[in-house]
Amino acid sequence: EVQLVESGGGVVRPGGSLRLSCAASGFTFDDYDMSWVRQAPGKGLEWVSGINWNGGSTGYADSVKGRFTISRDNAKNSLYLQMKSLRAEDTALYHCARDKVGWFDPWGQGTLVTVSS
Amino acid sequence: SYVLTQPPSVSVAPGKTARITCGGNNIGSKSVHWYQQKPGQAPVLVIYYDSDRPSGIPERFSGSNSGNTATLTISRVEAGDEADYYCQVWDSSSDHHWVFGGGTKLTVL
Repeated sequence: EVQLVESGGGVVRPGGSLRLSCAASGFTFDDYDMSWVRQAPGKGLEWVSGINWNGGSTGYADSVKGRFTISRDNAKNSLYLQMKSLRAEDTALYHCARDKVGWFDPWGQGTLVTVSS
Repeated sequence: SYVLTQPPSVSVAPGKTARITCGGNNIGSKSVHWYQQKPGQAPVLVIYYDSDRPSGIPERFSGSNSGNTATLTISRVEAGDEADYYCQVWDSSSDHHWVFGGGTKLTVL
């Protein structure tokens, strides 16, 4: 069964940092690009960042560029999102998702990040 | 940046047909994908490449895309179809890469 399990969320003060992880199983991880997509409470979906299969190409939404860094470790079947200079507006449920040539399938259940003083 | 516009809500009676639109400039030239999200759950892909269905998605779900509007059609709507639906495209014209519509809440009356 293809599975994505996120971890690392929590409560952090504005300006703080957090590192999210996504453990993948049930498929050949380094065959796929991966992305992070977030959803603020009661709001819609927002693509955050993506990385190609070997980590050689990355992309970021304008809202997080310069503050977030996506990476992957194919030997560990894991995806990461290093988040710095966090703001209240970064509060959201962060999902990792497998990128299948432009669409996302499947998605993990998400890990909640709350930025609050 | 590319913008996708969805109606905030659509209501339909059980057994009827629901149509959820996704508007965008010349969206017909792009591939549109659709997701269903039920409360407390992760999004699930229901349509990819405008009109293809992943395995396990009922034939009641179909999609079309032309001009400035893509449409997700759900036939013979059931109570279990009540959910939020999002359209998504890949925007090659900017750094925004993947773009989502604002989402449509489907209510089954």
